[in-house]
Amino acid sequence: SQKIEQNSEALNIQEGKTATLTCNYTNYSPAYLQWYRQDPGRGPVFLLLIRENEKEKRKERLKVTFDTTLKQSLFHITASQPADSATYLCALADNYGQNFVFGPGTRLSVLP
Amino acid sequence: DVKVTQSSRYLVKRTGEKVFLECVQDMDHENMFWYRQDPGLGLRLIYFSYDVKMKEKGDIPEGYSVSREKKERFSLILESASTNQTSMYLCASSLEQLSGNTIYFGEGSWLTVV
Repeated sequence: SQKIEQNSEALNIQEGKTATLTCNYTNYSPAYLQWYRQDPGRGPVFLLLIRENEKEKRKERLKVTFDTTLKQSLFHITASQPADSATYLCALADNYGQNFVFGPGTRLSVLP
Repeated sequence: DVKVTQSSRYLVKRTGEKVFLECVQDMDHENMFWYRQDPGLGLRLIYFSYDVKMKEKGDIPEGYSVSREKKERFSLILESASTNQTSMYLCASSLEQLSGNTIYFGEGSWLTVV
């Protein structure tokens, strides 16, 4: 069956460290994968998109990698700050390319 | 700035009531979606629409219906609300996905059915 998993429900790290979040999928062949940030009580907000032919994408302190062989994406936040505390969701288009399917999310807490 | 607007932020309804959740987007997007989000279950797709008057069932359509009479507006209807429909409902829109466009979400509507 098709599945998207994110490494852990919650992740606590110290301010200034690099946070690494994992997204694994099975039985999908996505042309691209996206990462979103969601703050409590709000809708998700788009952060980054990476295509299957791209190994890595960067935006300021964010870095995303995409390994279609491992069926995995890694999301890194360098020099993390308490303001980065939020839930991060990965999403990919289903095999029909019509819908986005979201992972369960990882709740990141950056401790001062 | 892109905008997806959900008409109600918080609603409390009684069991058996008919509930309308309205969503409007100002980006001329073809696709619109309704999700619900529950703790531990993540985002689950209820219905989506890829064109006016077109609709497709998502993963959990039971107990819901939708209406898309105009491109910018997508309504979610709970014909007879039940307590297990208490949830946060998120509307979203996007251009056609195959080109890798992003999905834009509204702020969410918190529905409590008592």
